[in-house]
Amino acid sequence: EIVLTQSPGTLSLSPGERATLSCRASQSVSSSYLAWYQQKPGQAPRLLIYGASSRATGIPDRFSGSGSGTDFTLTISRLEPEDFAVYYCQQYGSSRFTFGPGTKVDIK
Amino acid sequence: QLHLQESGPGLVKPSETLSLTCIVSGGSISTSSYYWGWIRQPPGKGLEWIGTIYYSGSTYYNPSLKSRVTISVDTSKNQFSLKLSSVTAADTAVYYCASQDRWLQYMDVWGKGTTVTVSS
Repeated sequence: EIVLTQSPGTLSLSPGERATLSCRASQSVSSSYLAWYQQKPGQAPRLLIYGASSRATGIPDRFSGSGSGTDFTLTISRLEPEDFAVYYCQQYGSSRFTFGPGTKVDIK
Repeated sequence: QLHLQESGPGLVKPSETLSLTCIVSGGSISTSSYYWGWIRQPPGKGLEWIGTIYYSGSTYYNPSLKSRVTISVDTSKNQFSLKLSSVTAADTAVYYCASQDRWLQYMDVWGKGTTVTVSS
């Protein structure tokens, strides 16, 4: 089983700042199968990034994904008030999905 | 535009079977473009994939839940279903259904989720 670790657990930033979220896999993950989701309280997760770096439909270009192998990054270039949320990475491999534990981005 | 809606009992007794249905609208469940999945989230915790089905009926499950999970599809009703047997309090969660891109295996459309509590 591939285990995903996300860091930091919580990121306290101010609007307008840059957020860098890390997702590390216990073994190599195909970049094609690495996705990022945003979840706000009481809401379902929302797809942000798929294939490690492709933005989903309607996602602003301040969100970007990068990485390969075991290390992946989600970057929010300038935080908007609506970006404060929990972010999960997810991988698919060997006919199973796993999610990371999440990074909470909160207002400093 | 694809829309998914979960339905089912909000309260299930311990040792009984949890049964949920996901109704797909705005598109056909029989499309070759998607798989269909169930994901859950215990209160205050992260996301856990439960299992996935293709319209043909082929399935794959989370190994940690496999012995208790059955996912089925009804193409005539454009819906798919989840059964989780022998539930305990640890199965209390928000249960989501989602569409999964067949090729890149991301979950792009999610239902709003339904809360299931296991309690006597």
